[in-house]
Amino acid sequence: NAGVTQTPKFQVLKTGQSMTLQCAQDMNHEYMSWYRQDPGMGLRLIHYSVGAGITDQGEVPNGYNVSRSTTEDFPLRLLSAAPSQTSVYFCASKPGRSSYNEQFFGPGTRLTVL
Amino acid sequence: AQSVAQPEDQVNVAEGNPLTVKCTYSVSGNPYLFWYVQYPNRGLQFLLKYITGDNLVKGSYGFEAEFNKSQTSFHLKKPSALVSDSALYFCAVRDGGYQKVTFGTGTKLQVIP
Repeated sequence: NAGVTQTPKFQVLKTGQSMTLQCAQDMNHEYMSWYRQDPGMGLRLIHYSVGAGITDQGEVPNGYNVSRSTTEDFPLRLLSAAPSQTSVYFCASKPGRSSYNEQFFGPGTRLTVL
Repeated sequence: AQSVAQPEDQVNVAEGNPLTVKCTYSVSGNPYLFWYVQYPNRGLQFLLKYITGDNLVKGSYGFEAEFNKSQTSFHLKKPSALVSDSALYFCAVRDGGYQKVTFGTGTKLQVIP
């Protein structure tokens, strides 16, 4: 049971490049989400999904796309990278759709946009 | 809109002393409250949560938290701090029935040997 896995661990992009951050979980969790962590700002929700085929925006969705074709995978796409997207990105999942279940976090992807 | 505040960027405590990390929240409905810990270069790990019931919640690694509805607070506590408790601690709140969770800005706990 690997839990929540994220790839890559580190990535450097040039402004305007696109890329996909991968996230997978093997716990059969319905709910998955993406956060970015910036100094002094805590974690901010980018997008989330309550099940395969269902996604919704969080508080900072601009510049990012997501899709959820399977229960296991929830990739985050940067369409045209900008320096403001330099951050640490965390994927998380939780069982069911209930609000009282805690989330399980991946190890993070550290992204630098030059 | 829901929000959570962690008023201290850093808390320093001597090893063996009790520690408190503060958290206050604002929600329109019933609050679901969580504490997570983040060690350097790692993802967040769940510590404990309050959903309903007893105001004193016990969690992992000897941590506990007290829910105070009148003061809208959910402070994290531990009777005797360990050096290994040094980490970044996040409080989070979710309005009951609402899927989005809001995290605080985090408090760095430094336990001094």
